[in-house]
Amino acid sequence: DVKVTQSSRYLVKRTGEKVFLECVQDMDHENMFWYRQDPGLGLRLIYFSYDVKMKEKGDIPEGYSVSREKKERFSLILESASTNQTSMYLCASSLWAGRSYEQYFGPGTRLTVT
Amino acid sequence: AQTVTQSQPEMSVQEAETVTLSCTYDTSESDYYLFWYKQPPSRQMILVIRQEAYKQQNATENRFSVNFQKAAKSFSLKISDSQLGDAAMYFCAYRTENTNAGKSTFGDGTTLTVKP
Repeated sequence: DVKVTQSSRYLVKRTGEKVFLECVQDMDHENMFWYRQDPGLGLRLIYFSYDVKMKEKGDIPEGYSVSREKKERFSLILESASTNQTSMYLCASSLWAGRSYEQYFGPGTRLTVT
Repeated sequence: AQTVTQSQPEMSVQEAETVTLSCTYDTSESDYYLFWYKQPPSRQMILVIRQEAYKQQNATENRFSVNFQKAAKSFSLKISDSQLGDAAMYFCAYRTENTNAGKSTFGDGTTLTVKP
């Protein structure tokens, strides 16, 4: 079974702190994604990566950055956390595009910024 | 840009009955894939069913089936013999054949309640 794990289920940070959310997948997937999930807004893509050191902005990249130094690990960085970044963050991975491959999701990190 | 619309924020169904969740999408592409994902409370999101646009036959997975109407750009999910474990948020998702890195567009979700 594919496993996607995220470093924390719950996280509480203060405004202005630098926050790292880590995601690891164990199935050698090329693609990895970071979403935020807010009530009534569905899943919104923050960033995605299709290879090591490759990244592309999603729909809402402002205030976030990412790092992918190894194929299995994709990190989301909040350079200076703000209260409007309080949300559920979901990581996902998939095989390469061009086929009907689904995304596999991690359990999510509920981040609260106070 | 592709958009996915789920017009029913909440639905409820009696245990053992059938329920249909709606999804429409907007695209100018001819080759694409459609998915339904399930997110149970406090649990990981998982794939329920997928449909390739080039296939005319509707996909079926046990109690789950879809009604794919390509011309109408509609992709509804039917859950038969509903069970308590079907209670979850369901997301419809679209992915084109040509997108970078398998990037998908998700709807806003439908919360399904199953009444015993």
